Amino acid sequence: GQQLNQSPQSMFIQEGEDVSMNCTSSSIFNTWLWYKQDPGEGPVLLIALYKAGELTSNGRLTAQFGITRKDSFLNISASIPSDVGIYFCAGQLYGNKLVFGAGTILRVKS
Amino acid sequence: EAQVTQNPRYLITVTGKKLTVTCSQNMNHEYMSWYRQDPGLGLRQIYYSMNVEVTDKGDVPEGYKVSRKEKRNFPLILESPSPNQTSLYFCASAKVFNQPQHFGDGTRLSIL
Repeated sequence: GQQLNQSPQSMFIQEGEDVSMNCTSSSIFNTWLWYKQDPGEGPVLLIALYKAGELTSNGRLTAQFGITRKDSFLNISASIPSDVGIYFCAGQLYGNKLVFGAGTILRVKS
Repeated sequence: EAQVTQNPRYLITVTGKKLTVTCSQNMNHEYMSWYRQDPGLGLRQIYYSMNVEVTDKGDVPEGYKVSRKEKRNFPLILESPSPNQTSLYFCASAKVFNQPQHFGDGTRLSIL
């Protein structure tokens, strides 16, 4: 089945630094989604990407849908302590099936 | 407030004792789904429902059952739970099947 390779697995960065994480796949997806999960809560949608090459921003977050439709990245600018959490990418084909990456754990030093 | 509500949030039980985790959404969403989350594996889909009375298997359906008798509710049933079903479970819903899914806060199950 489809698999997503998400990297890095974890990051420990200084407050104010920019963060970059990405997902790659051997499969083509029609939609890429980025979620954030805080401790004790469910994933919350950050950004949805629907077209190859699409670049979308949500505040300090920017995500892109790769041209090949097999990858996506998420950047966070000027990180702050509340950015701590687990970030998941998810790819969606036609229909319902959503495939998740294993997650990137972000820790921020204040 | 638009939300997906799961109950219970935590449950410790024993092998073989049937249990049900409820999921309810108040957004009139057609699509609902169940996932389990295990360390290092991300979220894996158990079952999904495109609409009332329409359900289908996800990637890891073994040992689980679901039903969708009403649009707002999508319970997850473990008829005979086993320790390998110890996990964090999430219910999600979407307006229709190809729209982004919104997640509940999770149910942590421990099967002893």
